[in-house]
Amino acid sequence: AQSVTQPDIHITVSEGASLELRCNYSYGATPYLFWYVQSPGQGLQLLLKYFSGDTLVQGIKGFEAEFKRSQSSFNLRKPSVHWSDAAEYFCAVAPNQAGTALIFGKGTTLSVSS
Amino acid sequence: EPEVTQTPSHQVTQMGQEVILRCVPISNHLYFYWYRQILGQKVEFLVSFYNNEISEKSEIFDDQFSVERPDGSNFTLKIRSTKLEDSAMYFCASNLGQGGITEAFFGQGTRLTVV
Repeated sequence: AQSVTQPDIHITVSEGASLELRCNYSYGATPYLFWYVQSPGQGLQLLLKYFSGDTLVQGIKGFEAEFKRSQSSFNLRKPSVHWSDAAEYFCAVAPNQAGTALIFGKGTTLSVSS
Repeated sequence: EPEVTQTPSHQVTQMGQEVILRCVPISNHLYFYWYRQILGQKVEFLVSFYNNEISEKSEIFDDQFSVERPDGSNFTLKIRSTKLEDSAMYFCASNLGQGGITEAFFGQGTRLTVV
């Protein structure tokens, strides 16, 4: 069965420091991969996605993620975190068919200290 | 920018009552979904809907749940007899589903509180 693991429940970084959020997936083939962000009381906003091609993908708000097939990972990075980045981050996967449902990880809560 | 809209934003209901959560997906999208997020837990898939029928559903989506697209714009989730454990944030999403690979767009959610 497909699954997504986000090993870090809560991360705190200083404003201006770099960030890496980890995501590992379990799936027989290369799935579609996504990162969503959820601010308190808000819905889910797509940060970036990977379907194929270049394994380093750029997203909104200065985020990027790298797909590593050998490690079944899709880690999210940002070189310099801003206080407004404090939120819940979800990694998600979907089988590589149009329209199939997403499977989410448990999420990582990011706190930003000044 | 087109968006998925959900109403109401918050609903409180008594245990055993029926609730209907409403969603207006993005107009040219073909796939529609409901997900739920129990407080402090991950987002869980409930059901997907395509071509006027359920295309996929999870174990959570039992006989207490139903979905409907009553007209050309709305997509609803009905819970027939609510239980305390149905308290959660319910997210609607839609996906274009054609013309290349597309992603799901989520609404702001409906917080359902069963008392």
